[in-house]
Amino acid sequence: DSGVTQTPKHLITATGQRVTLRCSPRSGDLSVYWYQQSLDQGLQFLIQYYNGEERAKGNILERFSAQQFPDLHSELNLSSLELGDSALYFCASSVVAGTYTGELFFGEGSRLTVL
Amino acid sequence: GENVEQHPSTLSVQEGDSAVIKCTYSDSASNYFPWYKQELGKRPQLIIDIRSNVGEKKDQRIAVTLNKTAKHFSLHITETQPEDSAVYFCAASGDRGSTLGRLYFGRGTQLTVWP
Repeated sequence: DSGVTQTPKHLITATGQRVTLRCSPRSGDLSVYWYQQSLDQGLQFLIQYYNGEERAKGNILERFSAQQFPDLHSELNLSSLELGDSALYFCASSVVAGTYTGELFFGEGSRLTVL
Repeated sequence: GENVEQHPSTLSVQEGDSAVIKCTYSDSASNYFPWYKQELGKRPQLIIDIRSNVGEKKDQRIAVTLNKTAKHFSLHITETQPEDSAVYFCAASGDRGSTLGRLYFGRGTQLTVWP
């Protein structure tokens, strides 16, 4: 158990719909990352938050948005869903303090299937 | 931003043989290089990491080497076992600019160990 909690574990929805994925980081971790992993693909970085503020943005579509709340949990919102959005979405957290880059702890992932 | 390339994409070895996976990175600001293992359907997990102030680190059957001048690092697994079969990801991160606190992943190597 990494200490990172993601819900839901599985989600099936239709094209055009909107879903929200939720992540609770490890206790004490201020940084949250979202990654997308499609079939046979690597880990595509979407976005990073640190203590409530957006820190870095990767290949995140305009249809996707995220935020980190004061209690440090994060949500990834995916809208106008397309078949190609079907993937495993990982949330990860880490301690980012000064110049130290800590281990990334991944959640179990949310598997999204768009039909 | 940083660009991490990983080779090979697939690797098959006989049980007991050694396996080597190589990665290159582009940003000289990167100074932290972890390796993650992802078993089928599971979350990525850190198996070993190295910082730029050392050239080699070993943990039982796995070792990582780093050549900062050439900007490449490698994962070595000796005496491979079937349970080593998984996808391995290299990554790079740094302490300034776009590398701060963010892990850039390679595309992964599917390692298969045949009994």
